[in-house]
Formats: sequence, structure tokens, C-alpha cells
Amino acid sequence: DAGITQSPRHKVTETGTPVTLRCHQTENHRYMYWYRQDPGHGLRLIHYSYGVKDTDKGEVSDGYSVSRSKTEDFLLTLESATSSQTSVYFCAIRERGNEQFFGPGTRLTVL
Amino acid sequence: AQSVTQLGSHVSVSEGALVLLRCNYSSSVPPYLFWYVQYPNQGLQLLLKYTSAATLVKGINGFEAEFKKSETSFHLTKPSAHMSDAAEYFCAVSGALDFGNEKLTFGTGTRLTIIP
Repeated sequence: DAGITQSPRHKVTETGTPVTLRCHQTENHRYMYWYRQDPGHGLRLIHYSYGVKDTDKGEVSDGYSVSRSKTEDFLLTLESATSSQTSVYFCAIRERGNEQFFGPGTRLTVL
Repeated sequence: AQSVTQLGSHVSVSEGALVLLRCNYSSSVPPYLFWYVQYPNQGLQLLLKYTSAATLVKGINGFEAEFKKSETSFHLTKPSAHMSDAAEYFCAVSGALDFGNEKLTFGTGTRLTIIP
């Protein structure tokens, strides 16, 4: 257990509304990641952070933004949710040797 | 750049039979390789990892994987399947150095079904 929590765990929202997902870690890890998981696509990286206020894009970053104002929290925002963003979102932290440990996930449904 | 190909999106084996899940990778630098397991409605859990030490890597729950550079493969095996092994399995690759290799690239996953 790498001390990662995600909130909310489930969310249903409507198209066009903003949504923010939170990832919280308790072990002072420098790197944090946001992925989405969709059938047939595995996990795809949305954004990642390598320190407070330091973030970079992943392969599917369009329509998403992130913020990291303190080490323990990494926020993912959908500025205007679309049905194509219905997915399961996972947060992860990185340890030495490049292995990553994952949170329990957030299931987001955009109607 | 790295990529991962998992052959077979669905694999079914009988309880007690050999489990073989295939993973081939592409990497422009020496790789680190990982297998993760995901049980229904849960996050991903690290099964095992290869980080340039022994080529045969043993993980949790009786799984192991062998790194074969000549074949660019990292197949996951278990001698005898249990019902509890039913899950989705993901292979992932990163570059071997800690610096500049902070991202993992995942395969699309293999769903393992165990037949009683």
C-alpha cells in the first residue's frame, strides 16, 4: 500500500460541466501520474507531475488540465466534460526503479 | 521510445494448467519491464519487475517471467492456474535509467479466465 487515495470514487456528471478528481499521497513521492483506462486501450497517460507546480503532458492530454500546489495532492480537471471522457481514472506514484503504484481508481460517467 | 504488445486480449486455461501470457516490447534503450495484475473493480497491483539483474524474475502468487533480449519478450508464466488468478494482466516498459525515464508504457492487457 503506497498510501494513495482518490476522490471521489464514483461520479456521474453531465456533458459540459467541470469535474475535478483528486489524488492524495502520504509518502512524499516526487512523481505522480494520472491515467485513464478504457477497454481495448489499456492504461494511457494523461498528465504527470515531477514536483510541486511541475507538470507535463502525456499521450491523451487534450481536454484535461492538472495542478499540483503541494506534494501530497495532484488534481485532474476536466474543464468541460464530454461523453468521450467517460472512463476509469487512476492515479499513481513512482518509486525507485521506475515502478509505479496505483490508487483505487475513480469511475467517471459523463451523460 | 518504448512500446508493448500483448498477444491475445483474452486467454482461457483450465484450473491446474499452465498459464502463459505473452508480452513483446520495443525500446530504444535498455528496458525495465513490469507485469501488473488487476482484479475486478480494483487498481493495478505489481506482480513482478525486471530491472537488469536476473533474467528470470519471480513474483507474487507463483508467477514468474523471463527476460529474453534476443526475442524482445517478457512472457508471464505460472505452472498451475488457480481460480483466483482470473484477472486482467498488463505488461509495461520503461527505460532503464531513473532519470529521463519516468514514464511507463502499458500494453492493452490480457484478460485471463480460469475454467473449472
